[in-house]
Parts: sequence; structure tokens; C-alpha cells
Amino acid sequence: ETGVTQTPRHLVMGMTNKKSLKCEQHLGHNAMYWYKQSAKKPLELMFVYSLEERVENNSVPSRFSPECPNSSHLFLHLHTLQPEDSALYLCASSQAGPDVYNEQFFGPGTRLTVL
Amino acid sequence: SQKIEQNSEALNIQEGKTATLTCNYTNYSPAYLQWYRQDPGRGPVFLLLIRENEKEKRKERLKVTFDTTLKQSLFHITASQPADSATYLCALDQMYSGGGADGLTFGKGTHLIIQP
Repeated sequence: ETGVTQTPRHLVMGMTNKKSLKCEQHLGHNAMYWYKQSAKKPLELMFVYSLEERVENNSVPSRFSPECPNSSHLFLHLHTLQPEDSALYLCASSQAGPDVYNEQFFGPGTRLTVL
Repeated sequence: SQKIEQNSEALNIQEGKTATLTCNYTNYSPAYLQWYRQDPGRGPVFLLLIRENEKEKRKERLKVTFDTTLKQSLFHITASQPADSATYLCALDQMYSGGGADGLTFGKGTHLIIQP
């Protein structure tokens, strides 16, 4: 595998279900991100992890819970979601550091539908 | 609050012509600006990054300009081809103190269609 992979690619869940999205990066980066992309809206940053520590939570509801066990893996745990949470969830990674301006590499995304 | 606007939702250009996309921002002082390409059902792909102290950046048929006084970036594709048809996203950094990991704020994007 190369780049950034995400599983599953598609997920349909009920509002009472608990599920997890998985992201893995094979680029040796030290920062990972979760973004949400809804129809007709720009990508919205959800969480930032740098060196496996969460450095920003962009006021995301607690029904979304991130986990970063190591620099290569990132999870997004979902529980009691709402239909408006249906969206494309994108994971990205980058090499971060002071005064380092690097591009982000995105995975293909997980298309989530909440019924 | 910070705001990024991309000039139009859709732009139709004749093959061979230069496509010019605009990104304007307010309430922001970014250290750098990035442009991404996104195809349907796929994640964005990085194209170019330009720093606040740079006026212009080129890569093959792509050119980006950055005017921090006007708070505007222009993205040009010269000799456009149907394969250039995609959505192009402008993104600005959110400078966090933690380890330099920057989340990005994105515009809605411009859907570019290159007609043969």
C-alpha cells in the first residue's frame, strides 16, 4: 500500500450504531488530520494530531471521537450520529515542524450515510 | 471570522485557452496558501504551495500568484486540456502552536470544465 488509505470506503449506519473509520499513512509523516466534506460546503477541519497528540479539536460534537495510537494510524469513532452527519470523511497526513510548510496528502475518503 | 471565496462555482473554458481561477480571503493573514485538485469521489491532490513572501510560483502548465495586499491568489492553467477538468480548491493554513501541524481552511472550490 502506498500513500494514505482509508477503510471502509462506504458506510451506512443507523443513528444508534457505533462504528469506526480507519486511516493509515505509509509516508512516514508525523501529523494526521480528519476533515469532513458535505455537499455544497467546503472541507471542514475536524481534528489535528501532531506527534500522536491531539493539538486541535475544531469544536466537533462529542459523538465523534478520534484516536491516534501511533504516527501511522488514525481512527474516528462514531456513535449516535445524526442524519446531517452524512458526508465524505477525509483523512490526511503531512510532515509537520516549525517553519515547515508542507502539503497534505489525502486518502480517498469514507462516504458515510446515517439513516 | 475567517472567510475564503473562490470566484465561481463553475467555469467553462475552451481547450487550449488559459483558465484563471480566483481565491479571495478576509480576516486572515496566512503564512502560505495551497491549491488542490479534487476529482469526483476522490480526496484532494496537492498541486502548488506559495508562501506569503513569494509573488509567483510555477509548475509545468500551472502558475499561482499571491497578493497579500489584495488578499488574493490567482491560479492559472495554460494550454488547458479536457483532462484538467476537475474541482480546484484553495486552502489557507491555520497556524497551530503544537508542533507546527497546520490544519487547513478550504474554499468551496471552483468546478472547471475544459471543453474540446
